[in-house]
Amino acid sequence: EPEVTQTPSHQVTQMGQEVILRCVPISNHLYFYWYRQILGQKVEFLVSFYNNEISEKSEIFDDQFSVERPDGSNFTLKIRSTKLEDSAMYFCASRGAGGPYEQYFGPGTRLTVT
Amino acid sequence: AQSVTQPDIHITVSEGASLELRCNYSYGATPYLFWYVQSPGQGLQLLLKYFSGDTLVQGIKGFEAEFKRSQSSFNLRKPSVHWSDAAEYFCAVVDSGGYQKVTFGIGTKLQVIP
Repeated sequence: EPEVTQTPSHQVTQMGQEVILRCVPISNHLYFYWYRQILGQKVEFLVSFYNNEISEKSEIFDDQFSVERPDGSNFTLKIRSTKLEDSAMYFCASRGAGGPYEQYFGPGTRLTVT
Repeated sequence: AQSVTQPDIHITVSEGASLELRCNYSYGATPYLFWYVQSPGQGLQLLLKYFSGDTLVQGIKGFEAEFKRSQSSFNLRKPSVHWSDAAEYFCAVVDSGGYQKVTFGIGTKLQVIP
């Protein structure tokens, strides 16, 4: 069964450094998403991406964040200058066109900012 | 804006006992509803989903959920819990318009005792 993959599984970085989290969505999917889950809290929507542009973003997704689909298969989330509060599990998700609206989630990347 | 409430943060049940996890949603139109499960250190696995039709939906691992519009609820049930069901369970609603971001509840952590 096709699945969403994410790399790395765990990333440790120092405050102020840039990080890129990578995702490979399911190949025929057209809608892509990033979510994050701070330890002990609920999963929160960050951004959706369709037709090579951001379609919706949350208040969390400020200028420090960017997304890109550089080569038609990968989908990346970049944090330009990480803060301690960016430490979280980041999930990528994708879905196909039209219904049934089910998003498939990757296993997540745990980002630790020290 | 859509929202999901899971009133029980932690639930402990004995192995073999029945289980019901509560979920209430707030959404103006017909919601698309999901239950996801997250084992420790793992990603989000879809248990079941409701879009329309029969209000009792069956999912994987013996779970079922019932959509009750009058109560704005989508409770998850299992007749006999196994130790391997210990995990965190998230109820979620999808925005049926726009680009369909998922809004998650805070989650219910299930502990199974022998």
